[in-house]
Amino acid sequence: DAGVTQSPTHLIKTRGQQVTLRCSPKSGHDTVSWYQQALGQGPQFIFQYYEEEERQRGNFPDRFSGHQFPNYSSELNVNALLLGDSALYLCASSVTMGQGSYEQYFGPGTRLTVT
Amino acid sequence: EDQVTQSPEALRLQEGESSSLNCSYTVSGLRGLFWYRQDPGKGPEFLFTLYSAGEEKEKERLKATLTKKESFLHITAPKPEDSATYLCAVRPRRDAGGTSYGKLTFGQGTILTVHP
Repeated sequence: DAGVTQSPTHLIKTRGQQVTLRCSPKSGHDTVSWYQQALGQGPQFIFQYYEEEERQRGNFPDRFSGHQFPNYSSELNVNALLLGDSALYLCASSVTMGQGSYEQYFGPGTRLTVT
Repeated sequence: EDQVTQSPEALRLQEGESSSLNCSYTVSGLRGLFWYRQDPGKGPEFLFTLYSAGEEKEKERLKATLTKKESFLHITAPKPEDSATYLCAVRPRRDAGGTSYGKLTFGQGTILTVHP
């Protein structure tokens, strides 16, 4: 059973550029959440996608946008990159209408460095 | 606003020396408290979800407990391979928008180092 996968593993971009990160959820999961984790900090919620729509958003500017596809995979887009956007970007998947314990499973992350 | 505070920030143990990690939380009604383990440069690995005060869950050398204001992660006879950052997170019953779809609010983590 494949877990959550993310690509690419590492990325180096220049300030002002745009970046797209990709995520495939765990088999059987229909909901994808994105988090940003700065060095030495806990993950911070960016937004969550379900049924191809953004349904919850954290305190992140509009430069951060996303998309969910019919196969439940998702993309995170960041425009006009700032040095402060350098972080580990994590994708987590879950089941919205599942029975039993609620669990969010994380992918390995994409390390973004902005120079 | 939901808040999660973990203590200590770092903990050094000798192999076999049992101890506990603390997670204090403030949330507008708790819908779930989560524990994760994170190795350097990797994504968090799910450990437990706790739902109500008094609940306990165990996995190998780890046991998580929950009260109305905090959670503890007890580590019994730890081994060097237990060295990692342990993260605690909460899911509120309702967020500021009146809904709860699964946003998790994390603490900053406890860095555990177990020496052989």
